[in-house]
Amino acid sequence: EVQLLESGGALIQPGGSLRLSCAASGFTFTNYAMRWVRQAPGKGLVLVSAINGGGDGTYYADSVKGRFTISRDNSKNTLYLQMDNLRAEDTAVYYCAKGASSGGANYFDFWGRGTLVTVSS
Amino acid sequence: EIVMTQSPGTQSVSLGERATLSCRASQSVNSNLAWYQQKSGQAPRLLIYGASTRATGIPARFSGSGSGTEFTLTITSLQSEDFAVYYCQQYNNWPSTFGQGTKLEIK
Repeated sequence: EVQLLESGGALIQPGGSLRLSCAASGFTFTNYAMRWVRQAPGKGLVLVSAINGGGDGTYYADSVKGRFTISRDNSKNTLYLQMDNLRAEDTAVYYCAKGASSGGANYFDFWGRGTLVTVSS
Repeated sequence: EIVMTQSPGTQSVSLGERATLSCRASQSVNSNLAWYQQKSGQAPRLLIYGASTRATGIPARFSGSGSGTEFTLTITSLQSEDFAVYYCQQYNNWPSTFGQGTKLEIK
């Protein structure tokens, strides 16, 4: 059974940093692209960042480019999102999602339950 | 970036009736279109991919159709657990993008 478990969300002041983690199980982690998708309160889904199976290809939405860094440790079956210089508009539930293949644009066949990041003073 | 537009924003349908949700792409996405269901306080769940293929475990009352720029999600014989927000997503072009969602509510 595929499981994705996010952690690391918190209440953080503007300008602060957080690292989100997503522990994956139930599939061969290195074979699949992974994504971070966020959902601001009462809003829709937005792809924030993506990484291919090997970890050598990444994508960032313009809104987070230069502030967020996605990475993965395939030996630990874990996905990360380092979030620096956080802004109020980064407040959202952050979901870890499994891509349906190792890279490229694809749909997301499994999602974690999400972790809440609140940026506020 | 491809813009996905869903309509209507909210749809009110009675139990046992049929719901038809629409999704339009700003340019062709071929059949690279997925649908997700999100219940309140939960993560999204994949329903349909490839515009018309049901994901594992999805009941047959959910069906998808369309290609190019116009897509439809049809839910027949609505049950109480089907009332949720539905999102479409294109994955033909990078980055993949989502529609703004359609809320399906009980009439």
